[in-house]
Amino acid sequence: SQTIHQWPATLVQPVGSPLSLECTVEGTSNPNLYWYRQAAGRGLQLLFYSVGIGQISSEVPQNLSASRPQDRQFILSSKKLLLSDSGFYLCAWERDRIGYTFGSGTRLTVV
Amino acid sequence: ELKVEQNPLFLSMQEGKNYTIYCNYSTTSDRLYWYRQDPGKSLESLFVLLSNGAVKQEGRLMASLDTKARLSTLHITAAVHDLSATYFCAVDSNSGYALNFGKGTSLLVTP
Repeated sequence: SQTIHQWPATLVQPVGSPLSLECTVEGTSNPNLYWYRQAAGRGLQLLFYSVGIGQISSEVPQNLSASRPQDRQFILSSKKLLLSDSGFYLCAWERDRIGYTFGSGTRLTVV
Repeated sequence: ELKVEQNPLFLSMQEGKNYTIYCNYSTTSDRLYWYRQDPGKSLESLFVLLSNGAVKQEGRLMASLDTKARLSTLHITAAVHDLSATYFCAVDSNSGYALNFGKGTSLLVTP
């Protein structure tokens, strides 16, 4: 069966520090991968998606970036965090749009 | 711009009562997704509706899709406290990748 892993689960980072969140999928190949952000008490905002290794599409201009160095690995990064980057970050995968499965999420607090 | 509108956004209901959450969307998508989110947790897939007229039921929840009206409903029968959560509907984005979510319906079931 397929599983999706995200880490870390929680993170407290100072403003201006770098960020790296990792997401991996097991049990499938060639998944489409997604990063979403959910601000406190708000809906979900698509940040990036990837349909293959090295292929990244950005939906919202910001100081975040994403990379896909391997087929089942998706990384969200920032060189310098802002207070507004705080939120709940969710990774998701799907194939053939049968259904989107979300990871357990990373709660990021920028202080 | 693709819009996904849920109503109500907040719902407080007594145990044993029935209620319906509505999801209107502006795209011509023929599939719709329902998710549940518990406080501080990730999204759990409830239903994937793949065609016009689709109806799916799981326990006290039943979802339906009318693509001509661009409307999906999530009906709750004889609510119990365990159903308290936030419910999101989502549709495929115009790019064909990723989901566009509604703002969510926060449901509280009280004794």
